[in-house]
Amino acid sequence: AQSVAQPEDQVNVAEGNPLTVKCTYSVSGNPYLFWYVQYPNRGLQFLLKYITGDNLVKGSYGFEAEFNKSQTSFHLKKPSALVSDSALYFCAVPGNTPLVFGKGTRLSVIA
Amino acid sequence: DVKVTQSSRYLVKRTGEKVFLECVQDMDHENMFWYRQDPGLGLRLIYFSYDVKMKEKGDIPEGYSVSREKKERFSLILESASTNQTSMYLCASSLQRDTDTQYFGPGTRLTVL
Repeated sequence: AQSVAQPEDQVNVAEGNPLTVKCTYSVSGNPYLFWYVQYPNRGLQFLLKYITGDNLVKGSYGFEAEFNKSQTSFHLKKPSALVSDSALYFCAVPGNTPLVFGKGTRLSVIA
Repeated sequence: DVKVTQSSRYLVKRTGEKVFLECVQDMDHENMFWYRQDPGLGLRLIYFSYDVKMKEKGDIPEGYSVSREKKERFSLILESASTNQTSMYLCASSLQRDTDTQYFGPGTRLTVL
């Protein structure tokens, strides 16, 4: 079955530092991979997705994600974190149901 | 911009009540979804629909039903609400199946007393 895992429940980073939110996947065939963000008291917002091609995918709000087939990872990155990036981040993959989500990683950016 | 709206942001109901959660999307999307979100469990799919009057069970359909009489509207029904259905409920829609981006509503936080 297709699945994703987010190994960290919480990530803390200082404002201005680079941030990474980790996601590993288990899929058969070529994966489609998504990142979503949820700000407090809001629904999920689409950040970016990988379909095929360039392993570095650029998305909204300055985020990017690197697809690594050998490590089966799709980590979300940003070169310089902002306090406003503090939110809950989900990676997802199409599976037996339309999208299978990870459990989420809470990112806190500290001023 | 895609807009997905949900009828209530906050809802408080009593055990045994019938609860209707409404979701409307304005982008003529074929596919609609209902999830519940609980801390530490992420999002879990309750039901989804790929067409009008069509529904499919997700991972946790027990205790829920859905209705899709019109393309733009997808309703989630709790026939007899229970305290373990206290949760955040999120509706989403997409144009194409499976590999397409889903667009989410703001969510309904339901409390069952």
